[in-house]
Amino acid sequence: NAGVTQTPKFRILKIGQSMTLQCTQDMNHNYMYWYRQDPGMGLKLIYYSVGAGITDKGEVPNGYNVSRSTTEDFPLRLELAAPSQTSVYFCASSLNQGLGYTFGSGTRLTVV
Amino acid sequence: DAKTTQPTSMDCAEGRAANLPCNHSTISGNEYVYWYRQIHSQGPQYIIHGLKNNETNEMASLIITEDRKSSTLILPHATLRDTAVYYCIVRSQGAQKLVFGQGTRLTINP
Repeated sequence: NAGVTQTPKFRILKIGQSMTLQCTQDMNHNYMYWYRQDPGMGLKLIYYSVGAGITDKGEVPNGYNVSRSTTEDFPLRLELAAPSQTSVYFCASSLNQGLGYTFGSGTRLTVV
Repeated sequence: DAKTTQPTSMDCAEGRAANLPCNHSTISGNEYVYWYRQIHSQGPQYIIHGLKNNETNEMASLIITEDRKSSTLILPHATLRDTAVYYCIVRSQGAQKLVFGQGTRLTINP
C-alpha cells in the first residue's frame, strides 16, 4: 500500500496562474479531505468528499475547486493563484467517519 | 464539536513518560477524543482515539477522566523521534470533518 500520495511535492506559481494538486489513495477509503497549513498554524479544511461524485466545502474553500470522479482520486484546483494561497497543502483519507485519517506528505506551494 | 485547550509547549527527557494534557470541558456524550501528531514538515499522523474508556495501542495510551472533561495522552518511553506538535481534537462520530487547533509542541530532550 502506498497510502495517500500527493504530487507535486513543491511548486512555485506566479500570480494568476492555475494548477492542480493531485491526491490519490489506494486504500479504498470513502472519505477524502484537503487541508492547508500556513506557517506556524494548525490545519484548515478546504474541501472534503464522502464518496465518488460528492464534495462539500470546508472552512476555507474560496479560490479552490475539487472533483471526485473516482474513489481513488481527489484533485484540488487553484484557478487564479494569489499570494494568500502560499501554504502547505495536505490531502487525507479515511475509511469512514469514525476512524483515523491517513495523511499524505504534503505539497509546498509558493505564489509569487 | 467541542473546543479543546492544550498547553502551547512542553518538554520531556528522553526515556521518560511524556504526559500531554487536554481540556475539553464542553464535550458532549457522542463526541470522541482524537490525538494526532505532526513531526516537522510532515503530514499529521493519527495516534489514538477514545470515547470514555481508556485506550492503549502500540504508540500511546489515552486516559479520559470519568467526567470526560479532560484527557491525557501518554507516550510511555519518549524518544527524540517523538518531538512533534500534538493535536487533541474532539469530534462526534457523525461529523464529516476533523478540525485542528494549535496543538502542543512537545520537545524530547536527550
